[in-house]
Amino acid sequence: DAGITQSPRHKVTETGTPVTLRCHQTENHRYMYWYRQDPGHGLRLIHYSYGVKDTDKGEVSDGYSVSRSKTEDFLLTLESATSSQTSVYFCAISDPPLSGGLLEQFFGPGTRLTVL
Amino acid sequence: DAKTTQPTSMDCAEGRAANLPCNHSTISGNEYVYWYRQIHSQGPQYIIHGLKNNETNEMASLIITEDRKSSTLILPHATLRDTAVYYCTRPSNSGGSNYKLTFGKGTLLTVNP
Repeated sequence: DAGITQSPRHKVTETGTPVTLRCHQTENHRYMYWYRQDPGHGLRLIHYSYGVKDTDKGEVSDGYSVSRSKTEDFLLTLESATSSQTSVYFCAISDPPLSGGLLEQFFGPGTRLTVL
Repeated sequence: DAKTTQPTSMDCAEGRAANLPCNHSTISGNEYVYWYRQIHSQGPQYIIHGLKNNETNEMASLIITEDRKSSTLILPHATLRDTAVYYCTRPSNSGGSNYKLTFGKGTLLTVNP
């Protein structure tokens, strides 16, 4: 594995509560990403970071915020969780493409979040 | 965002070649095509990438049409362990600092005994 962990791995919470998911890497990769995966929708990009304190929105960013205060950690926060945010969340890391164009993303094991 | 089109599902017999197509008709001249796969509930895993020449590695071969509007991932001798969702993708933006991949729904390949 590429030295990427996610915590917690499983979480059950109630509607309206704040939730923070953590992605931690030991690879010193510059880029970090948060995806969600739902049946019928595949993988969808939520937010990503291209450096410390540099973040940008993905396809489905509404209701989510992120922070990256240091290279190794990328936090995903649901300020007020809703049932529609029940999903499996994957974190990924990568470096900028090499001269041969390789943008290889390494994925974490995923976090299963259930919002009741 | 970048768009690719793949069949929802495909079947293949064990030991036979699996050919997974992908349409990326709006791809620009300097954008690479990437293939990833996701086995069961694990995170996706990189397979191969290419620009305009055919590529081969220990996992698969990638055939890109001359006009670059489509590509085919080939698993030459599929095994049961190749049953997975296969994603064809390309970066949403090229250049600058915004390197990211969007994955879509992919193709569920089922390898049958």
